[in-house]
Amino acid sequence: AQKITQTQPGMFVQEKEAVTLDCTYDTSDQSYGLFWYKQPSSGEMIFLIYQGSYDEQNATEGRYSLNFQKARKSANLVISASQLGDSAMYFCAMREVVNSNSGYALNFGKGTSLLVTP
Amino acid sequence: NAGVTQTPKFRVLKTGQSMTLLCAQDMNHEYMYWYRQDPGMGLRLIHYSVGEGTTAKGEVPDGYNVSRLKKQNFLLGLESAAPSQTSVYFCASSSHRDRDPGYTFGSGTRLTVV
Repeated sequence: AQKITQTQPGMFVQEKEAVTLDCTYDTSDQSYGLFWYKQPSSGEMIFLIYQGSYDEQNATEGRYSLNFQKARKSANLVISASQLGDSAMYFCAMREVVNSNSGYALNFGKGTSLLVTP
Repeated sequence: NAGVTQTPKFRVLKTGQSMTLLCAQDMNHEYMYWYRQDPGMGLRLIHYSVGEGTTAKGEVPDGYNVSRLKKQNFLLGLESAAPSQTSVYFCASSSHRDRDPGYTFGSGTRLTVV
């Protein structure tokens, strides 16, 4: 299986500051998709942003942007103007082929715990 | 509300007992998945299905069985629960369209095996 690496077990950021959460991936596929999910203490998985491997521009969704560097195989999440409600676990994931009949599944990293301080 | 519904939300089992977790989606998605989440491990794929009547093993399938008799339902069974199966279980579904990145997750089932 392809591998997702999140090297930061925990991060702190002050409210209103920007923060970058790192994600690197390993794949030999030409076509793949990269995702970021947020998991607050309540436990649900909240989709944040998606980047396709053929997308030329970095994805953005409100305060979230994905810094996609294909040659380096990195897909870092940037959160601008952090808010207290951004405190949560953040998971990077990659869509991988699991079935020759176009079957896909998400392969997750181990996550980064982000704490936003006042 | 459209989405993925998991039942039950919480369960405590004794070692050796069996149970079935139910996942239901109303988005007409072809693909459905079962993941488990353990502290520090992220989510790991247990089993998945690419359509009604089909199932396949994921990364950590041992001790689990699944069935997808109807397109909207994906069942995860534990025949003889073990303490190592204490975890939070997530069901998810997705469309088969390449350009549709949407994966919808259920709210999770917290299972404790004592």
